[in-house]
Amino acid sequence: NAGVTQTPKFRILKIGQSMTLQCTQDMNHNYMYWYRQDPGMGLKLIYYSVGAGITDKGEVPNGYNVSRSTTEDFPLRLELAAPSQTSVYFCASSYGLGQGQPQHFGDGTRLSIL
Amino acid sequence: AQKITQTQPGMFVQEKEAVTLDCTYDTSDPSYGLFWYKQPSSGEMIFLIYQGSYDQQNATEGRYSLNFQKARKSANLVISASQLGDSAMYFCAMREGGATNKLIFGTGTLLAVQP
Repeated sequence: NAGVTQTPKFRILKIGQSMTLQCTQDMNHNYMYWYRQDPGMGLKLIYYSVGAGITDKGEVPNGYNVSRSTTEDFPLRLELAAPSQTSVYFCASSYGLGQGQPQHFGDGTRLSIL
Repeated sequence: AQKITQTQPGMFVQEKEAVTLDCTYDTSDPSYGLFWYKQPSSGEMIFLIYQGSYDQQNATEGRYSLNFQKARKSANLVISASQLGDSAMYFCAMREGGATNKLIFGTGTLLAVQP
């Protein structure tokens, strides 16, 4: 059972570079999310999607972009990387609004901007 | 605004003892859900237990139970018979109302189980 798969697991970027964090899920979930986790902190929502073609901003969207062309994939794009974007990034998915539907998380991408 | 508060940055517990991790929340939405996740040192997020705002009974999942006190707006996680493998970061999260299933996370509690 693959679940939610994130690639890469680790990455170091130089300031000003761009990259795409990949996320794919094989559970046919409509809802997908991107979070960032800074050291010693909880997760903060960057962007989310409730279905293919539909995305919206979360709490901390600045400096990021997303797209959702398929149900399975929800890539996160960093443009002009900044040191403040050094963090661990988690992708998650869920069925939707059913009672107790938990979000299922990928293993995370550890990103350092130097 | 909706908010989750975990006031215990870290805790110790002896192996085989029970431990309670605190979580309080703030929301004006009558329909909400509360989740607990475990994050071991390897970094993944593991779903543990869920409590809905309209659930009459406290949720239980194996050694995990949720002490839900709606009037006090608290949703504490109780781990019974602690094991060394329970050493991890624990996050309380609240599902917002509306059609998005978005989660708001607390800052977490680091639990260390001592032999």
